Amino acid sequence: AQSVTQLGSHVSVSEGALVLLRCNYSSSVPPYLFWYVQYPNQGLQLLLKYTTGATLVKGINGFEAEFKKSETSFHLTKPSAHMSDAAEYFCAVSLMNTGFQKLVFGTGTRLLVSP
Amino acid sequence: DVKVTQSSRYLVKRTGEKVFLECVQDMDHENMFWYRQDPGLGLRLIYFSYDVKMKEKGDIPEGYSVSREKKERFSLILESASTNQTSMYLCATTLQGVFSYEQYFGPGTRLTVT
Repeated sequence: AQSVTQLGSHVSVSEGALVLLRCNYSSSVPPYLFWYVQYPNQGLQLLLKYTTGATLVKGINGFEAEFKKSETSFHLTKPSAHMSDAAEYFCAVSLMNTGFQKLVFGTGTRLLVSP
Repeated sequence: DVKVTQSSRYLVKRTGEKVFLECVQDMDHENMFWYRQDPGLGLRLIYFSYDVKMKEKGDIPEGYSVSREKKERFSLILESASTNQTSMYLCATTLQGVFSYEQYFGPGTRLTVT
């Protein structure tokens, strides 16, 4: 069964520092992977997704993620954090063993950015 | 742009009340979902619908029911609200059968049951 593990419920960085949010997945078939961001009191917004092709995926707001099949990882990075990046981030994998497009989400990582 | 709206941003109800949460989308998506979000647990799927009047249970359907009478509208019903249903409820939509397609989310309803 597909599942997603996000390491670290909270990550703290200083403004300008590298952001690294970790996501590992388990899937018996090549997965489709997603990163979503949730700003306070809002719904989820797609940051980026991996489907096929290039393993380095670029998203909105300067974020990118690399699909590494050998490590079953899809970590999210941003070279320089901004105060506006403070939010909760969710990694998700698309379930492929049903006829419906369902997502399995990780438990989320809250990113804290200090001045 | 896909627009997914939810009927209320904040809702306070009493134990035992029947509660209706409504979701409306304007993109003609076949699939609609209801999740609840709790700290440390991420998003958990309650129910989803793949067509009008069609529904499937998700991972935590107990205490909930759903209704989809029109393609654009998907309602979540708490038959008799309990305090353990205090949570953030999120609606989402997506195209049917395209596994690489993302889900689009509404802004959420924060429900408090007292």
